[in-house]
Amino acid sequence: EVQLVESGGGLVQPGGSLRLSCEASGFTFSAHSMNWVRQSPEKGLEWVAYISDDGIHIFYGVSVKGRFTISRDNAKNSLYLQMDSLRGEDTAVYYCVRDDGITPWFDPWGQGTLVTVSS
Amino acid sequence: EIVLTQSPATLSLSPGERATLSCRASQSVDSHLAWYRQKPGQAPRLVIYDASNRATGISARFSGSGSGTDFTLTISSLEPEDFAFYYCHQRSTWPPSFGPGTKLELK
Repeated sequence: EVQLVESGGGLVQPGGSLRLSCEASGFTFSAHSMNWVRQSPEKGLEWVAYISDDGIHIFYGVSVKGRFTISRDNAKNSLYLQMDSLRGEDTAVYYCVRDDGITPWFDPWGQGTLVTVSS
Repeated sequence: EIVLTQSPATLSLSPGERATLSCRASQSVDSHLAWYRQKPGQAPRLVIYDASNRATGISARFSGSGSGTDFTLTISSLEPEDFAFYYCHQRSTWPPSFGPGTKLELK
């Protein structure tokens, strides 16, 4: 069974940092590009970052570029998101999401981890 | 960035009825559109990809149509588990974007 399990969320003060992790199982992790997608009541679903299967190609959404860093360790079947200079508008549930298919599409999604930025 | 709009925002129907959800793109996405279902407390799940293909494990009650800028998700006969939020999503042009969602609620 394909599984993505996020961890690392929590409460952090504005300006602080947090590192999210995602452990993958049930598929060949090194063969798939991966993403972080977040969801908040204010902004809905928002794509955050992308990393290719080999880690060479990386893209960010405009709202997080320069503050967030996506990375992966294929030997550990793990995806990461380092979040620095956090703001209140970064408060959201963060999902680890696999790219699948030719287009490709987001499938499947992890269960999500909640990040709350507040003083 | 391509903006996706969904209508209606809320759709109130009864089990057994037919549901029709719409998604419109601000510019053509060809057939590079997907639909996701999100039940309360759960992550989104892929339902339809490439505008009209059902994802693995999705009931044949679900069908998708459209191309270019106008798309439709149809659920032929609603079951209790179908009542949820539905989001459309495009991967035609970077960055990927999502619609605001349609809440399909029990009447």
